[in-house]
Amino acid sequence: GAVVSQHPSWVICKSGTSVKIECRSLDFQATTMFWYRQFPKQSLMLMATSNEGSKATYEQGVEKDKFLINHASLTLSTLTVTSAHPEDSSFYICSATGGVEKLFFGSGTQLSVL
Amino acid sequence: AQSVTQPDIHITVSEGASLELRCNYSYGATPYLFWYVQSPGQGLQLLLKYFSGDTLVQGIKGFEAEFKRSQSSFNLRKPSVHWSDAAEYFCAVSGGYQKVTFGIGTKLQVIP
Repeated sequence: GAVVSQHPSWVICKSGTSVKIECRSLDFQATTMFWYRQFPKQSLMLMATSNEGSKATYEQGVEKDKFLINHASLTLSTLTVTSAHPEDSSFYICSATGGVEKLFFGSGTQLSVL
Repeated sequence: AQSVTQPDIHITVSEGASLELRCNYSYGATPYLFWYVQSPGQGLQLLLKYFSGDTLVQGIKGFEAEFKRSQSSFNLRKPSVHWSDAAEYFCAVSGGYQKVTFGIGTKLQVIP
């Protein structure tokens, strides 16, 4: 079964609203979680790295005030897309690592902003 | 910096034919290598991974991959393709089960 749960699987929201995506490690403690974004017909690009209890590290070009990441516990990280706009529509996916040979991806979230 | 090259954006094979998807990586040390598959509208599913040891790695769904350090390659193979294998395949590299760098992906089409 899935060891990383990502919720919701898909979400449609109005422009200007905020959307929260959750990523949970189900049976291991995730020291680090990663958030990726996939534009249509493109590969997955790392957005940010989050460690439990500390601020996330964002990749170049990713707006940290736009994409808020919280890693409040060793089993939960959240990505909040604030004031979403149509250009934020994308597939977002998280991964969690608990050490050697423990790297798992969530099932992803398809976000559509109207 | 680590990088992955998948030279074939789109491949079409006949059902029952053999398949090889190419992947070349760039990484300064011993890499962790992965192949993932993504079906339309779905998340990522891990097919196989290489960490160390035997350079021929067996994965799920009848896939295998061979790590060739001299060629910086990690090609994915399957002896006989099924229609359900049609999907997008991503090769990826990591420095140690941390952040993963993906290739651009190869879209596989299977024709009857």
